[in-house]
Amino acid sequence: DAGVTQSPTHLIKTRGQHVTLRCSPISGHKSVSWYQQVLGQGPQFIFQYYEKEERGRGNFPDRFSARQFPNYSSELNVNALLLGDSALYLCASSSRALAKNIQYFGAGTRLSVL
Amino acid sequence: GDSVTQMEGPVTLSEEAFLTINCTYTATGYPSLFWYVQYPGEGLQLLLKATKADDKGSNKGFEATYRKETTSFHLEKGSVQVSDSAVYFCALDDYKLSFGAGTTVTVRA
Repeated sequence: DAGVTQSPTHLIKTRGQHVTLRCSPISGHKSVSWYQQVLGQGPQFIFQYYEKEERGRGNFPDRFSARQFPNYSSELNVNALLLGDSALYLCASSSRALAKNIQYFGAGTRLSVL
Repeated sequence: GDSVTQMEGPVTLSEEAFLTINCTYTATGYPSLFWYVQYPGEGLQLLLKATKADDKGSNKGFEATYRKETTSFHLEKGSVQVSDSAVYFCALDDYKLSFGAGTTVTVRA
């Protein structure tokens, strides 16, 4: 079975541009979470979606938005990119949006903002 | 809010040495605790987990015990291999994961 897949794997943008990152969860998983991992740090929670509804949001500005589609895939959008948005963006899926559910991670999208 | 404090690295060991990485947490409830591992250029892989106090998680020779009295979840391995070189993250779960800063481990042959 395929694991969590993310696209693209690498992306280079310039300040002020917009970016869309995509994630396909493990088959049968209905919850998708997004994390930002800045170089040398642990991942930081951005969003969680379950059954197409936002279930949680981390401490990120409104420039960050996301959505989940009927097939449970998800997109993360970032507007007005800043240099500080350069990071590895990780997507994780789990069967339910509950505590103690194991989250399985994709390989990530590495975003570089110049 | 919930948080995790993890031993800073980097840690450099020789093959077959004993590894321990300290992790303590702060939480209002009774979270599950995890150790994730990240190999160079890859995403996170679940290494082991514990869902309640006194649970011991284990996998691939790694172990960690959920200690409520000391709010700790230290990772240990008795004999490391070169292939264990990676970044290790302690995390707690209350529907979202809160991670420590990560500990880089390098094992030399």
